[in-house]
Amino acid sequence: EAGVAQSPRYKIIEKRQSVAFWCNPISGHATLYWYQQILGQGPKLLIQFQNNGVVDDSQLPKDRFSAERLKGVDSTLKIQPAKLEDSAVYLCASSLWGDTEAFFGQGTRLTVV
Amino acid sequence: AQSVTQPDIHITVSEGASLELRCNYSYGATPYLFWYVQSPGQGLQLLLKYFSGDTLVQGIKGFEAEFKRSQSSFNLRKPSVHWSDAAEYFCAVVINTNAGKSTFGDGTTLTVKP
Repeated sequence: EAGVAQSPRYKIIEKRQSVAFWCNPISGHATLYWYQQILGQGPKLLIQFQNNGVVDDSQLPKDRFSAERLKGVDSTLKIQPAKLEDSAVYLCASSLWGDTEAFFGQGTRLTVV
Repeated sequence: AQSVTQPDIHITVSEGASLELRCNYSYGATPYLFWYVQSPGQGLQLLLKYFSGDTLVQGIKGFEAEFKRSQSSFNLRKPSVHWSDAAEYFCAVVINTNAGKSTFGDGTTLTVKP
């Protein structure tokens, strides 16, 4: 069974530029999560989708971050404009139902210079 | 709001020695509890989880964890550590699996000495 796919694996951008990350969850998984993991910290949830609807985006900095999950399958997370403090690993995860067991992708490491 | 504390930022053990990683949570009710492992440059892999029932939970790679309600703890253990266990370990809690989110601790980095 294919796992959660994320791309790109690495991205380096200058501050104030924009960037987008892509995630393809495990087939049939209705729930999709985006987490931000800053170096030395645990992952923090940015947004949770159930199919193509947003369940929780309370921790998403909406002035610069946006995410969509058109058709309830793959998802895109965008940052515009990026700040230095956005440097982190962005993890995508998916699960069959709620949070019973989430499967994580390898993440995208973003460096903002 | 729920919180998860992993008191040990870094632990070093010798290969073959036993291991215990601590995790404490702060929440009024019993949450769903998870342990994940993350190797460098990799995503998170689920080691084990506790929802209810037997408070001693067996996981993959020889790991186990014990839920202690009175101490609000969910410590991870392994009787004999292998060099390949060197990684970062995260404890996480979920309050409501239907629409809840995972709250993670800040992790414990395990170094294994030969």
